[in-house]
Amino acid sequence: KAGVTQTPRYLIKTRGQQVTLSCSPISGHRSVSWYQQTPGQGLQFLFEYFSETQRNKGNFPGRFSGRQFSNSRSEMNVSTLELGDSALYLCASSPDLSGNTIYFGEGSWLTVV
Amino acid sequence: AQSVTQLDSQVPVFEEAPVELRCNYSSSVSVYLFWYVQYPNQGLQLLLKYLSGSTLVKGINGFEAEFNKSQTSFHLRKPSVHISDTAEYFCAVSDPSGGGADGLTFGKGTHLIIQP
Repeated sequence: KAGVTQTPRYLIKTRGQQVTLSCSPISGHRSVSWYQQTPGQGLQFLFEYFSETQRNKGNFPGRFSGRQFSNSRSEMNVSTLELGDSALYLCASSPDLSGNTIYFGEGSWLTVV
Repeated sequence: AQSVTQLDSQVPVFEEAPVELRCNYSSSVSVYLFWYVQYPNQGLQLLLKYLSGSTLVKGINGFEAEFNKSQTSFHLRKPSVHISDTAEYFCAVSDPSGGGADGLTFGKGTHLIIQP
């Protein structure tokens, strides 16, 4: 069974640009959540989707957005990139609404220059 | 609101020695507790989790953790470490009543350094 797949793995963007990251959850999993990992702030919850609905969002500005498709795949978008957005973005998937089984992907490394 | 404190940012241990990584949490409700490991340039791998029941939880790679409700702790232990255990370890908590919507709250991580 394939794990959580994130693309691209590495990317470099210029300040002011926007970026879209993609996540394919484990087959059969319907919940997808996103996290940002930085050396200074650690791991922070961005948002969570279940059945194409965003159920919650962490304390991030509106430049950070996401969506989930009917096949449970998810994308997150960051507009007007800032240097501080450089981070590892991790996607996680869960099979249901229990919140007790959460698997992470390898992450997408974003560098903003 | 929930919070997680990992008391040690870095723990050096000699190979084949035992290790304990400490984690304390703060929550006004019952919780799910998790330990994840992150190897360099990789994502997070689930080591073990506590949902309910027995307070001693066994995970992969010989790790185990004990849930202590009175001390609000969930310390991770391994009786004999190997060089390959060198990694960053994260303790995390979630609220069962949220159904996963609130995500995980992570500690700052503990860097386990195995010395030969």
